Amino acid sequence: DVKVTQSSRYLVKRTGEKVFLECVQDMDHENMFWYRQDPGLGLRLIYFSYDVKMKEKGDIPEGYSVSREKKERFSLILESASTNQTSMYLCASSSQAGNTIYFGEGSWLTVV
Amino acid sequence: DQQVKQNSPSLSVQEGRISILNCDYTNSMFDYFLWYKKYPAEGPTFLISISSIKDKNEDGRFTVFLNKSAKHLSLHIVPSQPGDSAVYFCAAKRASGSEKLVFGKGTKLTVNP
Repeated sequence: DVKVTQSSRYLVKRTGEKVFLECVQDMDHENMFWYRQDPGLGLRLIYFSYDVKMKEKGDIPEGYSVSREKKERFSLILESASTNQTSMYLCASSSQAGNTIYFGEGSWLTVV
Repeated sequence: DQQVKQNSPSLSVQEGRISILNCDYTNSMFDYFLWYKKYPAEGPTFLISISSIKDKNEDGRFTVFLNKSAKHLSLHIVPSQPGDSAVYFCAAKRASGSEKLVFGKGTKLTVNP
């Protein structure tokens, strides 16, 4: 079974703090993704990566950056957290040849 | 510009009856479609998919129908169970591994006992 693990399930951070969300997958997938889910807005893609050290902007990259130093790990960084970044963050991965992406359990971030 | 639309934010059905969730898309280049199910406080889980070379795919109680000319797909759940209560997301992509999925906004299904 595909396993996508997000290290933090629940976080509370202060406005202006730097926040790191970590994600690890164990299926040797080339592609990794970060989404956020908000009520009524569905799943919105923040950033994705097709390979180590490669990254591409998704639909809502503003206020975020990412890092992919190893194939299995994809980190989402909020340089200076703001209250409008309070959300559920979802990491996902897929193989280069596959059409299905697999999600982690999600990380609930509250910025106060 | 929403390329994948789920026009019903919510749906309520009785246990044992059929649930039909609908999804429309605008991009004619999409040729692979998926449904995901999401419980609160959990990540979405893959449910069922269909390629554009088919018009139907069935997996147990779940069937997805694709109407390419109408750019419409639907998910049928028969019979519906209370445990099916969740948010269902429709997603579409071009069937190349490097293409990203485009999601709809989801439909919240409630199955009443």
